[in-house]
Amino acid sequence: EPEVTQTPSHQVTQMGQEVILRCVPISNHLYFYWYRQILGQKVEFLVSFYNNEISEKSEIFDDQFSVERPDGSNFTLKIRSTKLEDSAMYFCASSIPSGSQVTGELFFGEGSRLTVL
Amino acid sequence: GENVEQHPSTLSVQEGDSAVIKCTYSDSASNYFPWYKQELGKGPQLIIDIRSNVGEKKDQRIAVTLNKTAKHFSLHITETQPEDSAVYFCAATETSYDKVIFGPGTSLSVIP
Repeated sequence: EPEVTQTPSHQVTQMGQEVILRCVPISNHLYFYWYRQILGQKVEFLVSFYNNEISEKSEIFDDQFSVERPDGSNFTLKIRSTKLEDSAMYFCASSIPSGSQVTGELFFGEGSRLTVL
Repeated sequence: GENVEQHPSTLSVQEGDSAVIKCTYSDSASNYFPWYKQELGKGPQLIIDIRSNVGEKKDQRIAVTLNKTAKHFSLHITETQPEDSAVYFCAATETSYDKVIFGPGTSLSVIP
């Protein structure tokens, strides 16, 4: 069964360093998302991406964050200068297969745990 | 913007009993309400969803009800099994491909 894959599974970084989290969405999906989950808390929307541009972003997604789809398969989240409060699990998701009825289901990867020291 | 509340935050039931999780939402424009199950160390996975033109939907042991007037929706799990133990998130969104706003989650423990 197709799945969303994320790398790395865990990254430890120093405050102020740049981090890139990588995702390979399901190949025929059209919408891509990043969510984050601080330990034990709710899953929070960061950004949605469609047709090679950001379609919506939350107030969390400030100038320190950026997303990119550099080729036909990868979808990346970059944090330019990490802060302690960026420590969280970051989930990539994709949805809406092309050419099929809209279902709304988000397919999540297993997450990338970011620890900022 | 949309705000989703969820109760209870933790729930313990005996195997075979039913579990009910309740959610409320604030934005009357929301019309798609998915439920996700998150097992330890994994990403959330959709278990059932309901759209605003439907009041109830059932899939085997899982059912969801929606009261759009009151902005309430609930998840019902019957004949619970230990493998139902997980964190359950309700969510709401205006369009099914738009940002999905999650509730804070309910940690369900099914005691054998």
